[in-house]
Amino acid sequence: DTAVSQTPKYLVTQMGNDKSIKCEQNLGHDTMYWYKQDSKKFLKIMFSYNNKELIINETVPNRFSPKSPDKAHLNLHINSLELGDSAVYFCASSQEYLNTEAFFGQGTRLTVV
Amino acid sequence: QKEVEQDPGPLSVPEGAIVSLNCTYSNSAFQYFMWYRQYSRKGPELLMYTYSSGNKEDGRFTAQVDKSSKYISLFIRDSQPSDSATYLCAIYTGGFKTIFGAGTRLFVKA
Repeated sequence: DTAVSQTPKYLVTQMGNDKSIKCEQNLGHDTMYWYKQDSKKFLKIMFSYNNKELIINETVPNRFSPKSPDKAHLNLHINSLELGDSAVYFCASSQEYLNTEAFFGQGTRLTVV
Repeated sequence: QKEVEQDPGPLSVPEGAIVSLNCTYSNSAFQYFMWYRQYSRKGPELLMYTYSSGNKEDGRFTAQVDKSSKYISLFIRDSQPSDSATYLCAIYTGGFKTIFGAGTRLFVKA
């Protein structure tokens, strides 16, 4: 029973397209995140949501729009995809009082061609 | 200066060796330090975390924080091929934000 699940696992798309990545957690956590990991494995936070409320937006382009319909879900929609958006995107969650322990999904490998 | 710096390696050791992985950080106010392990094509998983200075041990793994030097370490004793992965240091900076080092790729040869 996967704790944090993301779909799809792989996404190959052309420049200019719009795509979405879905994330669900069944851990009952209050906080969810989106991270971007580039080709050099550098993991950088993009967004942080707590109880469905946006807490952190790390100077991410407006083309990226997260949406949290409820505490268990955090989706990421990307408009007008660019080559530089190619990366692995990880969803994660943590309990609000224990943000030192985040549980990550398996990642979505996005390739923009 | 980056908030957290980590040598990306790769680091290659023989089975049974003691491995030392390190990070430095810039802000002396940081208090929560974590180590994550990431296998190829998987998400990171938390290995251990420490609060403030000191050591924490869990089986073959020991995490160490030296706040005076702003230096954090992870030691792996009796390393195994199954320890081959990327190890990321991480620091919880508060406000629902964690920053990660670049990750060190470790290869343990049988």
